[in-house]
Amino acid sequence: KAGVTQTPRYLIKTRGQQVTLSCSPISGHRSVSWYQQTPGQGLQFLFEYFSETQRNKGNFPGRFSGRQFSNSRSEMNVSTLELGDSALYLCASMGTAGVNTEAFFGQGTRLTVV
Amino acid sequence: DQQVKQNSPSLSVQEGRISILNCDYTNSMFDYFLWYKKYPAEGPTFLISISSIKDKNEDGRFTVFLNKSAKHLSLHIVPSQPGDSAVYFCAASAFQNKFYFGSGTKLNVKP
Repeated sequence: KAGVTQTPRYLIKTRGQQVTLSCSPISGHRSVSWYQQTPGQGLQFLFEYFSETQRNKGNFPGRFSGRQFSNSRSEMNVSTLELGDSALYLCASMGTAGVNTEAFFGQGTRLTVV
Repeated sequence: DQQVKQNSPSLSVQEGRISILNCDYTNSMFDYFLWYKKYPAEGPTFLISISSIKDKNEDGRFTVFLNKSAKHLSLHIVPSQPGDSAVYFCAASAFQNKFYFGSGTKLNVKP
């Protein structure tokens, strides 16, 4: 069974640009979450999608948005990039509609904003 | 606000000894807790979890303890092995698929 796939693995963008990251969850998983990891900050929750609907949202500005397609694949978009957006962006999928289950993470997309 | 805290950025342990990683939380509504291990250039890998109705969960060399009154959980690894060297994150959630993570503890197991 294939794991969570994130593309691209590495990305370099310029301030002010926008970026789209992609995540394919484990087959059969309908919940996809996005996290931002920066040094010393752990993982910060961005949002969760389930069945194409945003179900949970973290405390990030509106420049961060996402969506989920009918095949459960998800994209995250960041507009008007800032230097502080440089981070590892991780996608996680979960297998049940309920809660209290572990999340399976992809390898992440390393975004560098210059 | 940091609802889950790992106050030790790093820990060094001799191979074969016990590793104890600690985690504190502030939100009494958290009902599910997890530990993840992360190697460089990889995503976090799930290790072990515990529900708030339990105070201990064991899986092989890994045991997680939960002290709800102290809002504290810990991960015990015994015996520690060099391959356990990684960054360990604790995480918590409250009735939803939204996890709050600590900032991580880097474990170094010396041969």
